[in-house]
Amino acid sequence: SQKIEQNSEALNIQEGKTATLTCNYTNYSPAYLQWYRQDPGRGPVFLLLIRENEKEKRKERLKVTFDTTLKQSLFHITASQPADSATYLCARTGRRALTFGSGTRLQVQP
Amino acid sequence: DVKVTQSSRYLVKRTGEKVFLECVQDMDHENMFWYRQDPGLGLRLIYFSYDVKMKEKGDIPEGYSVSREKKERFSLILESASTNQTSMYLCASSLSPPGLAGGQETQYFGPGTRLLVL
Repeated sequence: SQKIEQNSEALNIQEGKTATLTCNYTNYSPAYLQWYRQDPGRGPVFLLLIRENEKEKRKERLKVTFDTTLKQSLFHITASQPADSATYLCARTGRRALTFGSGTRLQVQP
Repeated sequence: DVKVTQSSRYLVKRTGEKVFLECVQDMDHENMFWYRQDPGLGLRLIYFSYDVKMKEKGDIPEGYSVSREKKERFSLILESASTNQTSMYLCASSLSPPGLAGGQETQYFGPGTRLLVL
């Protein structure tokens, strides 16, 4: 089965620093990877999508990379703010539906 | 603005009860999904539907059924609730299925229903 793994340990960083979250997948490379943000008690919200043939995608302070050799995607938040504190989920496309990782909780300290 | 709504934010039920969780989307999306989310396990797909009256099992369908009589509404049914079904249930919709659309379709989620089965 296609698995997707994220670091289950929370990531704590200082405001203004760059946060980097990791998403690793198994077996074949998915055509697309998506990243979502989830706040406590709420549903996930889509942030970015990156295609297999794209090495990097940016949106404002967010950057996503896709390395098919390492079978890994990195999600960066530059100039992080306390408001960026949330759980970030990675999802890969499959034959029928998305498969989500369990998410990494980011805590940005003021 | 895109909107997915779920009938309840919090629900408490007793073991053996039949439970209905309702989800409505106003985006005219073809596809709807039901997930459950548990600490450390992430989002797990229960059932999904590509069209009215169509349904397909996800990764953990046991103990659940679904109904999609109208395009905008997708119901999750717990036939006989058990304590191991205590969880956060999330509904989502997308315009077309990931596979068919090349994975371009993002999913829009509802706020979730936190179900406690006693």
